[in-house]
Amino acid sequence: EIVLTQSPGTLSLSPGERATLSCRASQSVSSSYLAWYQQKPGQAPRLLIYGASSRATGIPDRFSGSGSGTDFTLTISRLEPEDFAVYYCQQYGSSSWTFGQGTKVEIK
Amino acid sequence: QVQLVESGGGVVQPGGSLRLSCAASGFTFSSYGMHWVRQAPGKGLEWVAFIRYDGSNKYYADSVKGRFTISRDNSKNTLYLQMNSLRAEDTAVYYCAKDQWYSSAPDVWGKGTTVTVSS
Repeated sequence: EIVLTQSPGTLSLSPGERATLSCRASQSVSSSYLAWYQQKPGQAPRLLIYGASSRATGIPDRFSGSGSGTDFTLTISRLEPEDFAVYYCQQYGSSSWTFGQGTKVEIK
Repeated sequence: QVQLVESGGGVVQPGGSLRLSCAASGFTFSSYGMHWVRQAPGKGLEWVAFIRYDGSNKYYADSVKGRFTISRDNSKNTLYLQMNSLRAEDTAVYYCAKDQWYSSAPDVWGKGTTVTVSS
């Protein structure tokens, strides 16, 4: 099973700042099968990025994804108040899906 | 619009059983794979099970293999999760989610149903 490790655990930033979230895999992941989700308290996760770098429908362009192999990054160019939430990376491989443990982006 | 509505959650004793349902609407249910994903209180997301669009293949997380069974009824646009031999660690919010076939990412999620395993 591929293990995804996200860092940092918590990111304390102010609105307008840039957020850089990391997701590292224990073995190589196909870029086609790496996704990012946003989850706010009491809500279901929302798909942000799929295929490592493609934005899902309706996702603002301040969200971008990059990376390949074992290292992937989610970047939020300028944090808006509604962006403070928990973010998860997720991968699919060998008939198994796994999630990272999450990064919380909180208001500084 | 695409909608998924879970039901069937509740409180059950350790060793007991529960069947969750997920009613789908707004898309051609029979054309898409479906997932169950859970989230224990205060914890992260854990993938539980996947079923192909036609039910021909099913995959499970090791933590539930042999105890949980995913199934679907395409004539009723409904996904199921039969949970047997429940343990305290199965306590979670259970989400059903539609698979985005070209990326294998769950792209549309229901609001979830809560399962509590406690004596």
